[in-house]
Amino acid sequence: NAGVTQTPKFRVLKTGQSMTLLCAQDMNHEYMYWYRQDPGMGLRLIHYSVGEGTTAKGEVPDGYNVSRLKKQNFLLGLESAAPSQTSVYFCASSSVARSEKLFFGSGTQLSVL
Amino acid sequence: GDSVTQMEGPVTLSEEAFLTINCTYTATGYPSLFWYVQYPGEGLQLLLKATKADDKGSNKGFEATYRKETTSFHLEKGSVQVSDSAVYFCALSFTSGTYKYIFGTGTRLKVLA
Repeated sequence: NAGVTQTPKFRVLKTGQSMTLLCAQDMNHEYMYWYRQDPGMGLRLIHYSVGEGTTAKGEVPDGYNVSRLKKQNFLLGLESAAPSQTSVYFCASSSVARSEKLFFGSGTQLSVL
Repeated sequence: GDSVTQMEGPVTLSEEAFLTINCTYTATGYPSLFWYVQYPGEGLQLLLKATKADDKGSNKGFEATYRKETTSFHLEKGSVQVSDSAVYFCALSFTSGTYKYIFGTGTRLKVLA
C-alpha cells in the first residue's frame, strides 16, 4: 500500500552539483508530475508526463530535466544546482488528468548552499 | 490568467471553534475545484472536491460549495479539532485541454486544545 514514494527525503547540495530525485508509484497511474513548494507561492508545476516515454514542461521547468523510462517511475534531475532551487519537491500521480485527484509523495527537502 | 487566491494565515482557533478559510478563483473556463490538506511532514492529500456550480464537496466534517456567481469555494467546518492542524490548499483544474492544476498559496491552521 505504498502509493507514491519519493527518495531521498532530505538532501543538501553545493552550488553546481548535480542530483536526481526519484519518484515511484505503484498504482499504475498514467500521469505523473513534479512540483516545487516555496513559502508564499503554493505549488508550482515543474514538469509532467502523460505516459511512459513522454515528458512535458510545466510552469517552472528551467534548470530541471526529467525522464519517464518506466511507467511507474518519474525522475527529476538537477544538472547544476543553484541556491534558487532550494525548495520542497513533491511528486504526484493521477489515473486521469484534469479533474481526477492527485496522489502525492511525502516530499523531498532540498537545500542548495 | 487562471489563478487561485486564499486568505493568508496562520489561522489560530480553539478546539470546537467554527472554521472558514476563504478561497476565490479566476478562470476562463469551467474548472473543477479542490481542497487539499497537508499534515506536518507529509504530502498533500485530497480533502474534498466539486466539479460544477452549486456542488457541495464534503469530507471529515469539512464542506465547501462551488459558487460560480462569486467565484468562490470557501472551506468550512463547524467544530475543529487539534488533529485538524495542517496547511490547507485550494486548487482548480480543468476537465479538458490541460493537465494543469493551479494551487493557492496555502493557509496554515493551528487548533489549540
